[in-house]
Amino acid sequence: AQSVAQPEDQVNVAEGNPLTVKCTYSVSGNPYLFWYVQYPNRGLQFLLKYITGDNLVKGSYGFEAEFNKSQTSFHLKKPSALVSDSALYFCAVRGERDDKIIFGKGTRLHILP
Amino acid sequence: DAGVIQSPRHEVTEMGQEVTLRCKPISGHNSLFWYRQTMMRGLELLIYFNNNVPIDDSGMPEDRFSAKMPNASFSTLKIQPSEPRDSAVYFCASRRDRGTTYEQYFGPGTRLTVT
Repeated sequence: AQSVAQPEDQVNVAEGNPLTVKCTYSVSGNPYLFWYVQYPNRGLQFLLKYITGDNLVKGSYGFEAEFNKSQTSFHLKKPSALVSDSALYFCAVRGERDDKIIFGKGTRLHILP
Repeated sequence: DAGVIQSPRHEVTEMGQEVTLRCKPISGHNSLFWYRQTMMRGLELLIYFNNNVPIDDSGMPEDRFSAKMPNASFSTLKIQPSEPRDSAVYFCASRRDRGTTYEQYFGPGTRLTVT
């Protein structure tokens, strides 16, 4: 069965510092991995995905994520955080033979001015 | 592209009333998903359709919930009768299953309050 874990309910980072939001997954076969962001009173917005190829993928708003097959992780990163990055972030996974995407519980990111 | 469109954006109703939520997916997308989001349970997949056919409704909480997709550009989620515990934000998402497009795109959601 597919599963995804976001071990941190909340992450606090000072503005200008690098940020990392953690995600680990479990699927059968090759994973398709995604990050989404949700701002208050909005729907989820697609940030980036890993399907195949380079382990480091770049997405919107300066975010990137690194796929690590041995650790079954797909952590979201940004070199320098902005206050406007404060939001709820969801990691999601889909097995290559599955139709459904499974979402994590979300990590609330607070960027402190 | 207008993105996924949901209506209404807010719905307040009394317990026992019928509620119908509507979704228009992105044109050309052939998979459609209904989700429910609450503080307690997070984001839950209720049902999804592929080419207008329901594929998996195992997430539908009970028989009070039903969903239809009569054509490729419209879907409804109905709750009858509604209960206070149905209060949540309901999201619709669509996806085009072609090539390397694997991501889903979400609508703005319908905030349902049942009193």
